[in-house]
Amino acid sequence: TQLLEQSPQFLSIQEGENLTVYCNSSSVFSSLQWYRQEPGEGPVLLVTVVTGGEVKKLKRLTFQFGDARKDSSLHITAAQPGDTGLYLCAGEDTGNQFYFGTGTSLTVIP
Amino acid sequence: GAVVSQHPSWVICKSGTSVKIECRSLDFQATTMFWYRQFPKQSLMLMATSNEGSKATYEQGVEKDKFLINHASLTLSTLTVTSAHPEDSSFYICSAREGGLGEKLFFGSGTQLSVL
Repeated sequence: TQLLEQSPQFLSIQEGENLTVYCNSSSVFSSLQWYRQEPGEGPVLLVTVVTGGEVKKLKRLTFQFGDARKDSSLHITAAQPGDTGLYLCAGEDTGNQFYFGTGTSLTVIP
Repeated sequence: GAVVSQHPSWVICKSGTSVKIECRSLDFQATTMFWYRQFPKQSLMLMATSNEGSKATYEQGVEKDKFLINHASLTLSTLTVTSAHPEDSSFYICSAREGGLGEKLFFGSGTQLSVL
């Protein structure tokens, strides 16, 4: 089983602050996905990164895939209450298997 | 994006009864579907991988006789929790993989099961 560790596990910040969530593994992935999940809902795909060193931006969210394709980060600028949720990374291996990270629960306080 | 429909959204049942959860891919054919269990503010725990027309592959520690999975068509997989007990109470989520290399996972909206 491939392990994806996310840090921090829990994060509570004030509206307007910046934050970074990390997703680390010792395994190499062919692609990595980030999801956001709200309570009582299924995860919603935010982005897929496939190239080592790739950076993708989605409004105030910036995603980066590590050069070695073993880790990734999600940076949120000027967090808003609507960003509250559980953030999950998921790595896809060469056998098309997906492995989910341990999750980061974010609360943005108005 | 592709849509995965999961029903019911929530269910309350008495201990000892069985509950069936459906997962449908609405606008694509899903050769593989996955079933997860999730506790509050925790990540997804893969329970089993369901392939159309064949037996499901269960993760270690998941009782296949308790969690029956049927994937009879390319658009439908079902999870039946047999003889449910309070410890089975949880949020269950399915996902479907659209065919082809580099395919993405699309998730259902989840089912909150409460066993009294």
